[in-house]
Amino acid sequence: GIQVEQSPPDLILQEGANSTLRCNFSDSVNNLQWFHQNPWGQLINLFYIPSGTKQNGRLSATTVATERYSLLYISSSQTTDSGVYFCAVLHNYGQNFVFGPGTRLSVLP
Amino acid sequence: NAGVTQTPKFRVLKTGQSMTLLCAQDMNHEYMYWYRQDPGMGLRLIHYSVGEGTTAKGEVPDGYNVSRLKKQNFLLGLESAAPSQTSVYFCASSYSSRGGIRDQQYFGPGTRLTVT
Repeated sequence: GIQVEQSPPDLILQEGANSTLRCNFSDSVNNLQWFHQNPWGQLINLFYIPSGTKQNGRLSATTVATERYSLLYISSSQTTDSGVYFCAVLHNYGQNFVFGPGTRLSVLP
Repeated sequence: NAGVTQTPKFRVLKTGQSMTLLCAQDMNHEYMYWYRQDPGMGLRLIHYSVGEGTTAKGEVPDGYNVSRLKKQNFLLGLESAAPSQTSVYFCASSYSSRGGIRDQQYFGPGTRLTVT
């Protein structure tokens, strides 16, 4: 099956700093989503981004499908950005998502 | 819209007991999913359904059964709970899974299950 890797596994930032999270996948996908799991365990959709670039406030994401990776950018980080960020991909011809192991982000005040 | 809801939120079982987790969605989604999340790990798919009356196995189906008798509900059953099934269980739903924005998954709040 398709493999999904995320880096870095852990990231500690000072409030106000910028960061880039990466998601690599081993085969073609026709769907990629980024999620944020907050410290209370709730999973929140950030982006649906199988290709191209999208922005939502301080967050933006870019997927280069031909090179099999996606990047999530967080600018001017806030303590509320803390949590775990997952990417999930839908393999071509597949019917269910495969999640990466996540990047745990801690933003310090 | 309540979105995706899960019942119960917490449960403690003894080894060998059975229970059913209920997932309900009010978005008229065709697809529904059950995942488990173990400490420090991503989500792994247990079972999923592509429509009322259908179910299919995911990555880690052993020890679980599911049913989708109504479009809005997806039930996950543990017939004989084992300590290895201690986990947080998430339900999700989507319109489709064939490519496109309608594939976007919406998650419930999770059920924390402990098996002693």
